[in-house]
Amino acid sequence: DIVMTQSPDSLAVSLGERATINCKASQSVFYRPNNKNYLVWYQQKPGQPPKLLIHWASTRESGVPDRFSGSGSGTDFTLTISSLQAEDVAVYYCQQYYTAPRTFGQGTKVEI
Amino acid sequence: QMQLVQSGPEVKKPGTSVKVSCKASGLTFTRSAVQWVRQARGQRLEWMGWIVVVSGNTNYTQKFQERVTITRDLSTSTAYMELTGLRSEDTAVYYCAADPRATLTTPGKYLFEYWGQGTLVTVSS
Repeated sequence: DIVMTQSPDSLAVSLGERATINCKASQSVFYRPNNKNYLVWYQQKPGQPPKLLIHWASTRESGVPDRFSGSGSGTDFTLTISSLQAEDVAVYYCQQYYTAPRTFGQGTKVEI
Repeated sequence: QMQLVQSGPEVKKPGTSVKVSCKASGLTFTRSAVQWVRQARGQRLEWMGWIVVVSGNTNYTQKFQERVTITRDLSTSTAYMELTGLRSEDTAVYYCAADPRATLTTPGKYLFEYWGQGTLVTVSS
């Protein structure tokens, strides 16, 4: 199984400041036939299901604010919130969708 | 836009089974794949398995291989997850999620973008 490890487990960021979350996969999730990294980022708020923010490591979903960006390739990935807003307080998960079983990171709690 | 509506909360005794439903609307169910993920209180998301709706083919994580069955009913556009041999550690919120374009996707690389609201299953004697 591919192990996904996020860092940090939690972080506190001031409003308007940058938040950076890292995700490391135990093996590459890069698929050569289409040059895509099969890595997604989810945002989860209390009592809600996860919301898909980014797929293919860096492609934002429709309607997701452009302050959210994803980067990285192979085994190392980053989610950046460029200017934290109050509504961004949540737990963020990375997940690989390169192969089954699908595996998630342990989550990173972002607070103000 | 696809919508997934799950069945209501369940309270079960240890050793029994639970079957959670996930009804899809808004897009063509037969082109979809549906996965099930669970989350115990304060824990990370845990993938259980998926079903490719058109074929009925399933893929389960080894942890649940002997206890979980994912099925679908094409006539009602509903997917189901049944978990047997319940124990207290199975107390969690169970989510379904769908990739509505699975038949157009590289097999196995489904993107589950639509999620149900979650179903709380409580296992207690």
